[in-house]
Amino acid sequence: GAVVSQHPSRVICKSGTSVKIECRSLDFQATTMFWYRQFPKQSLMLMATSNEGSKATYEQGVEKDKFLINHASLTLSTLTVTSAHPEDSSFYICSATRGRGQETQYFGPGTRLLVL
Amino acid sequence: GQNIDQPTEMTATEGAIVQINCTYQTSGFNGLFWYQQHAGEAPTFLSYNVLDGLEEKGRFSSFLSRSKGYSYLLLKELQMKDSASYLCAARVLGGYQKVTFGTGTKLQVIP
Repeated sequence: GAVVSQHPSRVICKSGTSVKIECRSLDFQATTMFWYRQFPKQSLMLMATSNEGSKATYEQGVEKDKFLINHASLTLSTLTVTSAHPEDSSFYICSATRGRGQETQYFGPGTRLLVL
Repeated sequence: GQNIDQPTEMTATEGAIVQINCTYQTSGFNGLFWYQQHAGEAPTFLSYNVLDGLEEKGRFSSFLSRSKGYSYLLLKELQMKDSASYLCAARVLGGYQKVTFGTGTKLQVIP
């Protein structure tokens, strides 16, 4: 199988604080990891693509200084929401692929962030 | 740019067959995915088509026509647990094989 985990699954924080979300591929090495955000009743919006050992590629309109992505190893990528505000409250989902070929994306269970 | 369209909502009866359509306009198209997403959960992979034709996998089948920019997901023998959102997603050529998602079709299965 291809299992992807995320931690934490749910987080509540105060406005102005930073929150780190971890995404791990448990039984395979993930060449590429993707970070998505999903607002209620909307589809997934790709935020950025990250590859191990290189800088993340951010989608248009996504602030790279606010959403820091680190892909430290082939099994771990982290998303840090810096100085979180209530409008950052959302469902954050990561996915991982084994390679750059014809590979499906395996999704983590998601992290629900609520900023008060 | 990328544009993916699917109906917002559908309702079908338990035991019946339902077809969820998806049309796409993408540059550098390189395959189409269907995912199922239950409320509050992450998407789970259902199917992947890169060549024209029908792919069957149990109760679920997916069809692709590249020339028409069209795909559908067919669900047979509907069960109540099939009530979920179904996301159509197109992969585009590029260094990291980016996938763009449609807005999803919320399917409600009724008794």
